[in-house]
Amino acid sequence: DTGVSQDPRHKITKRGQNVTFRCDPISEHNRLYWYRQTLGQGPEFLTYFQNEAQLEKSRLLSDRFSAERPKGSFSTLEIQRTEQGDSAMYLCASSLESGAGYGYTFGSGTRLTVV
Amino acid sequence: GQNIDQPTEMTATEGAIVQINCTYQTSGFNGLFWYQQHAGEAPTFLSYNVLDGLEEKGRFSSFLSRSKGYSYLLLKELQMKDSASYLCAVRGMDSNYQLIWGAGTKLIIKP
Repeated sequence: DTGVSQDPRHKITKRGQNVTFRCDPISEHNRLYWYRQTLGQGPEFLTYFQNEAQLEKSRLLSDRFSAERPKGSFSTLEIQRTEQGDSAMYLCASSLESGAGYGYTFGSGTRLTVV
Repeated sequence: GQNIDQPTEMTATEGAIVQINCTYQTSGFNGLFWYQQHAGEAPTFLSYNVLDGLEEKGRFSSFLSRSKGYSYLLLKELQMKDSASYLCAVRGMDSNYQLIWGAGTKLIIKP
């Protein structure tokens, strides 16, 4: 297993366009998380899945954001009608359900720039 | 509310020792993590503490005092490659095992 993979690494888009990011977690991990991180800040929770079920979504997340994990494996995060404030690093992480002592394994992230 | 505090930035000299502190106030406690994050890269796991005391792993050690809501990360024999941000994260007691993240401490190593 090569760890958590995210694609693309970088994305530049014009304001108002839609973007979609993909995350492939570690295969034996059943939990998958999406975070957003801006410069000088810690990761900000967006949403997470246990298998294919989306169990929690941040109240800060607007309706423009949607995430799926259709078969409990890879996940996608879509941002519709992007705004300049969406510019950030989008991190995906995975973990085992029990979580204790394992923490999260992060992917390399997708850096989004909205111009 | 839930809160994690770390210094914003610290500077240390190559070869020296540095201690990065983290204080937390959370609704329940089920473990504390330290992560290292180099600029433009994803966080990588360093250490995990769930019981009071010191956990040592090579040049890095992490300490926890649950009664004080306090942890520190100790880095010895500093190397230039240790220049990075160090993130403290606490897992609460909810069933979702969510991590609550600090903003990170940027560590600058000087020759």
